[in-house]
Amino acid sequence: GAVVSQHPSRVICKSGTSVKIECRSLDFQATTMFWYRQFPKQSLMLMATSNEGSKATYEQGVEKDKFLINHASLTLSTLTVTSAHPEDSSFYICSARDMGQAEAFFGQGTRLTVV
Amino acid sequence: GESVGLHLPTLSVQEGDNSIINCAYSNSASDYFIWYKQESGKGPQFIIDIRSNMDKRQGQRVTVLLNKTVKHLSLQIAATQPGDSAVYFCAEGVDAGNMLTFGGGTRLMVKP
Repeated sequence: GAVVSQHPSRVICKSGTSVKIECRSLDFQATTMFWYRQFPKQSLMLMATSNEGSKATYEQGVEKDKFLINHASLTLSTLTVTSAHPEDSSFYICSARDMGQAEAFFGQGTRLTVV
Repeated sequence: GESVGLHLPTLSVQEGDNSIINCAYSNSASDYFIWYKQESGKGPQFIIDIRSNMDKRQGQRVTVLLNKTVKHLSLQIAATQPGDSAVYFCAEGVDAGNMLTFGGGTRLMVKP
């Protein structure tokens, strides 16, 4: 099956710094990638939809200036958490779809801890 | 629909028994449904999907049932194994290819 690679799997950063998370589709082209956030024992909450070559569409309540998304190529989308605060600590997961396919494949997730 | 709350419901089954995990979805317009399995610290893993023009679909040891009348989805796992222990999420979408909305999740615990 298709593979989506997310990096890093874990990151610890200091408050006020920025962290970049990468999401790559390894064996297919993903015109659309999705970024989710998941708190412990809760479901995945969609943050934004990332389309290659255009601006991301953010869900209501998600600060676009805080969670910067770039989808510069058909195989790479990045999420940058800017000026991170402890409340940003969470599990961030990306998913990607192959063009014309319904099934979405998920990355391994990134555990972000802001201290 | 989206999850609210801090505690996932838990289903505990004996190894070898069948498991049934239920999900109520929220959007009448949803026409595509997926079940995902998520192990601790990992991203969701696709299990099986179904489109709204079907009411049942079978995979290897898994069956998904869709009841559009009451907006209910279920995942049946036959002969449950310890490796099936995980959190299971249903997800719904409109026009496969668009964003998915995840249900709250159910933790499946398999007792040896």
